[in-house]
Amino acid sequence: QKEVEQNSGPLSVPEGAIASLNCTYSDRVSQSFFWYRQYSGKSPELIMSIYSNGDKEDGRFTAQLNKASQYVSLLIRDSQPSDSATYLCAVNFAMDSSYKLIFGSGTRLLVRP
Amino acid sequence: DVKVTQSSRYLVKRTGEKVFLECVQDMDHENMFWYRQDPGLGLRLIYFSYDVKMKEKGDIPEGYSVSREKKERFSLILESASTNQTSMYLCASSLGEDTQYFGPGTRLTVL
Repeated sequence: QKEVEQNSGPLSVPEGAIASLNCTYSDRVSQSFFWYRQYSGKSPELIMSIYSNGDKEDGRFTAQLNKASQYVSLLIRDSQPSDSATYLCAVNFAMDSSYKLIFGSGTRLLVRP
Repeated sequence: DVKVTQSSRYLVKRTGEKVFLECVQDMDHENMFWYRQDPGLGLRLIYFSYDVKMKEKGDIPEGYSVSREKKERFSLILESASTNQTSMYLCASSLGEDTQYFGPGTRLTVL
């Protein structure tokens, strides 16, 4: 059973703080990892993709991947109220001759003004 | 920019009706997907397609069928809508194993 686990939250942080969102997955051979943001009533939108161990930065967002420990995280620096949303972690798992993207259930982030 | 469009944002149907949800992508992606999203259950894959006229069952295909006659278009069909199919339906497309891009979603209510 391929699994992607996230804490459902809500994670509440004050405006300007660093929000840290974590995700663990069950398959060591997974090669690609994604973070999506989903506002209430809207569809998921891609924030970051990461493929190699280490950190990947894009503006206020940093994705961190540790394949040995099977976790991927998303840091949001200088959090803004507009960052309040549900963040979905997604992992591509190898399935026979193809791949399947499996989503975690999401972590709800609340940034307090 | 990748653009994925869905035919309706909101749809209300009656039990037993046949429902068509259309999805179109403009980036020549070979892969297209249909998900439903329900509170507490996350995103669940209904069907996907890796090529024209090709379809594969996802995790919850029961009560649904799909059609992909052209590369850019992937349709989800509810043969006889039931109240437990009230949900948010999300279409996505991707190039190979890479990022999936989502359409705006269709919120379907079956009365």
